Amino acid sequence: EDKVVQSPLSLVVHEGDTVTLNCSYEVTNFRSLLWYKQEKKAPTFLFMLTSSGIEKKSGRLSSILDKKELFSILNITATQTGDSAIYLCAVDDYYGGSQGNLIFGKGTKLSVKP
Amino acid sequence: EAQVTQNPRYLITVTGKKLTVTCSQNMNHEYMSWYRQDPGLGLRQIYYSMNVEVTDKGDVPEGYKVSRKEKRNFPLILESPSPNQTSLYFCASSPRTSGRESSYNEQFFGPGTRLTVL
Repeated sequence: EDKVVQSPLSLVVHEGDTVTLNCSYEVTNFRSLLWYKQEKKAPTFLFMLTSSGIEKKSGRLSSILDKKELFSILNITATQTGDSAIYLCAVDDYYGGSQGNLIFGKGTKLSVKP
Repeated sequence: EAQVTQNPRYLITVTGKKLTVTCSQNMNHEYMSWYRQDPGLGLRQIYYSMNVEVTDKGDVPEGYKVSRKEKRNFPLILESPSPNQTSLYFCASSPRTSGRESSYNEQFFGPGTRLTVL
């Protein structure tokens, strides 16, 4: 079953709107959660979250993690057409020694209309 | 310029014809990984490597091989490609170090290889 679930799968908004993207997870040994943005090319890194309740912020984007409820949100305020992309959430599932696995969700496709 | 390169970027081949997709990074990263991305399924990890001569299976390793003879290179080998391996493939690297407190940090992705197997 899916270990990292993102919602919604797709979203259409207008410029200036604020959006919240969700990522819930269920892994054995959580170590970190990462957000990526993917336009028509390779994913690019946005944030890495390891501690609950500490907001990471970069311009109009912000993200926070809740390790008790096992989810994270990515907020984008005052959206622009350039924010249109697939947003990927990934969780680092550590299972001993130096081994681990980065598990991705299916992504949220965000479309921002002018 | 720090980067991950993949070759080829596009490839159309036929069932059963062995192929190799190369991946190289110039950042001296220990960790490298291969993913495939399919519509509706997201990014799935094929194989990863913690360092030279250390490789391990990801979620979907069947039909693929990898090797890590040098730190900078991590080729993906399809010995006998089949149509269900038609996909978009990404290589990634990270300065991840081992240990319980470590993490992936930022993974740098290559530009992707679009493979079609007829």
